[in-house]
Amino acid sequence: RKEVEQDPGPFNVPEGATVAFNCTYSNSASQSFFWYRQDCRKEPKLLMSVYSSGNEDGRFTAQLNRASQYISLLIRDSKLSDSATYLCVVNANEAGFQKLVFGTGTRLLVSP
Amino acid sequence: AAGVIQSPRHLIKEKRETATLKCYPIPRHDTVYWYQQGPGQDPQFLISFYEKMQSDKGSIPDRFSAQQFSDYHSELNMSSLELGDSALYFCASSPRLAGGTYNEQFFGPGTRLTVL
Repeated sequence: RKEVEQDPGPFNVPEGATVAFNCTYSNSASQSFFWYRQDCRKEPKLLMSVYSSGNEDGRFTAQLNRASQYISLLIRDSKLSDSATYLCVVNANEAGFQKLVFGTGTRLLVSP
Repeated sequence: AAGVIQSPRHLIKEKRETATLKCYPIPRHDTVYWYQQGPGQDPQFLISFYEKMQSDKGSIPDRFSAQQFSDYHSELNMSSLELGDSALYFCASSPRLAGGTYNEQFFGPGTRLTVL
């Protein structure tokens, strides 16, 4: 079982739709959580960090449920440019150093 | 804003050859991480350095070694290359805040290594 699990998709949605991605992690010692976005053959780019109280950045909302070890990302009013793979990333902070563990990613395709 | 720089961007090698990948972190970032991403796979952590010392080790083969230099740039040395080493190699950097508080990692554009 992978340490970070995501539904690989693809999620095919029309422009303007709302789409939600879920992610579960197995290491209860994980301390910080992120969503990265990766376009084909490009580097992962930080989309947003996920805070315990949940946080919002424009059309993007992230939620964390530590008890269930569950992270979500909600995208409202999808744009064509949102088409990408969304990586759920967990950091088990050990002695102050980070080791990011990536999920396999969820692919989003937004169509006109 | 300055980003992580990696060189070369593309590299083609034959089996059993060696390769050296370079990474220049964002200015004032003192921690560097290396990741390997195979086709259709998620990035896998290889190794990290903080203040020129190895801070953590992941799934890095014994044929690979890495170091961080006094100017904080890092090099990943790969020897006896195998076909399976063909992948995208990403470097990421982050500032390590006082007290070990976590912070985000920022990725470079990657080096695409092809082993023939």
